[in-house]
This record gives sequence, structure tokens and C-alpha cells, in this order.
Amino acid sequence: AQTVTQSQPEMSVQEAETVTLSCTYDTSENNYYLFWYKQPPSRQMILVIRQEAYKQQNATENRFSVNFQKAAKSFSLKISDSQLGDTAMYFCAFMKQYSGGGADGLTFGKGTHLIIQP
Amino acid sequence: NAGVMQNPRHLVRRRGQEARLRCSPMKGHSHVYWYRQLPEEGLKFMVYLQKENIIDESGMPKERFSAEFPKEGPSILRIQQVVRGDSAAYFCASSPRAGQGNTEAFFGQGTRLTVV
Repeated sequence: AQTVTQSQPEMSVQEAETVTLSCTYDTSENNYYLFWYKQPPSRQMILVIRQEAYKQQNATENRFSVNFQKAAKSFSLKISDSQLGDTAMYFCAFMKQYSGGGADGLTFGKGTHLIIQP
Repeated sequence: NAGVMQNPRHLVRRRGQEARLRCSPMKGHSHVYWYRQLPEEGLKFMVYLQKENIIDESGMPKERFSAEFPKEGPSILRIQQVVRGDSAAYFCASSPRAGQGNTEAFFGQGTRLTVV
């Protein structure tokens, strides 16, 4: 079974600053995907960024980037030039990949509440 | 293309009643996942269904909970004889095809169940 740990229950930064959210995971699998989801007060789960474990290059999406360290089982999210609209819960998630093309459900961490101060 | 639709958004049930939560996946999606989110927690996987089949129900409580995804119509998560501990937000996600090359699951806005 997989576990995902987010050790920062809450973080607060000033607008325009850069912030890094940490995530570690534990698995014996070699093929998997990692995700960061954002959940604003509306409760909608929004995919922020995705990383395939077999790719060494870190994924980036505009102001969002990850630092994926496979050996250390670490997957942190960096938000550059933070904006007020980035205020939300952020969840790190793991998904096992099957060689035959199937996939499990997602295993989520407990989340980090990120607050961007004006 | 409408997103994943869940209804109702809010549901209040008395202890012992039944709760039925509905999820209409995105058009063209044949894979549905249900998750439960307790207060101050992340989402916990419950069940994964394809049309007319339960693929993985390892996260589903053994009693009182059931799920289906019929050939026609929405996926239904059914909770019988609800108890206060069932109070949570229940999320549905859908994807067009599970696995390699197509991993994004699109989430609905959830149903908040309150048991009084």
C-alpha cells in the first residue's frame, strides 16, 4: 500500500513571493504518477500539475513547478509569483500504474492550507 | 462539454435513513471513481467502476455502502442506515480511459452529506 505525507498543515506567504509545499511518499512500485491538486473554498478539485515517475525532467505549468526526487521519494511543489487566487488547500496524490494500462484510484496526502496575504 | 456533475450538492439525512449520491461523468468517460473527504483530511479512495463493472472496491466499507455504474444513467453511491460518522464530502471523478498516457481524472464538486 502507498502512503503520501504532507508535513505542513498550513503555510502563509505574501503575494508575489515564492512558496514551496513539501510532499513525500512511500511505495514499492516503480511505475506510478504523482499529482498536485488544488481545492479552493468552492471544494472543486483542480489538477495543478502531473509528473510521470519514469521521466527525470521536472514538470512545469506556468508558475507551478515540481522538484521530483525519485530516490528520496519526494515531490515538492513550487509556486512562483504567488497570487491571491492561489489561496487554497493543496493535495499531493499518488497513482500506481499497471503495465497493462490499468490504473488505481488516487492516494492523497492530508493537504496543506496555503494562504496568500495581500 | 459539461464537467462531472454530482447531485445533490448538499444532502441531510437522519440516522438510519438511506443516502443516494449521483454522479454523471463527463461525456465519453467510462471510468468513475468515488472518494470520501472527512473534515480536515485528504480524499480517501472508495471504489473504481467501469460501465456495469466494479473494478476495485478496496476502499469501500464492507457494510451499508454500495456503488453501481449502470449501462445507462449516472453512477450511484448508496449508503444504507446512515450514521453520524458518514457525514463527509463525497467526490466523484471520471476519466476517459485509465492508464498509460491518459491519467487525468476530472472531479465533480462533491456532495456534502450531513447526518443528523
